[in-house]
Amino acid sequence: TQLLEQSPQFLSIQEGENLTVYCNSSSVFSSLQWYRQEPGEGPVLLVTVVTGGEVKKLKRLTFQFGDARKDSSLHITAAQTGDTGLYLCAASNNAGNMLTFGGGTRLMVKP
Amino acid sequence: DTEVTQTPKHLVMGMTNKKSLKCEQHMGHRAMYWYKQKAKKPPELMFVYSYEKLSINESVPSRFSPECPNSSLLNLHLHALQPEDSALYLCASGRLTDTQYFGPGTRLTVL
Repeated sequence: TQLLEQSPQFLSIQEGENLTVYCNSSSVFSSLQWYRQEPGEGPVLLVTVVTGGEVKKLKRLTFQFGDARKDSSLHITAAQTGDTGLYLCAASNNAGNMLTFGGGTRLMVKP
Repeated sequence: DTEVTQTPKHLVMGMTNKKSLKCEQHMGHRAMYWYKQKAKKPPELMFVYSYEKLSINESVPSRFSPECPNSSLLNLHLHALQPEDSALYLCASGRLTDTQYFGPGTRLTVL
């Protein structure tokens, strides 16, 4: 069974602060996705990373895939209240048809 | 267009009722998925359809019955559910190789 450990589980910060969420595994993945989910809604895809060492930027969000494709991080610069939500990392195996989810990071950004 | 639609948005049913959840995508994806998500937890995989054939059943009780009428539609038929089945039910679709796109979910309450 492939496990994906996500940390921290919960993060409460003030608007304007920076934060990093981590997603780690002992397994190698073919690709990794980050999603953001609001209560009662479905997860919304933020990014997919597929190449070891890859860095992708989405406005104030920076995503990195580890060189060995076993870990990933999400960094948010100058957090805003609209960033509040549940952040999920999910990784695909080589067959690609199943996702392994991390436990999620619940982010609260206070004004 | 990366939209997956789900109906209904909310559903309340008794333990003796029969109801169906519906999911639709027009992205040409050949894999479609049903997930169950409890509050503050990541989604849990229930079923995977690949090329309109059921390929994975994650030991889901028979009171949940999936159906894939064609490559764009996925249904989940519900019968004799229990209160503990109350959850957010998510549909997703993908190209079988990596990224899955989620619908907005159906919030199910079983009385």
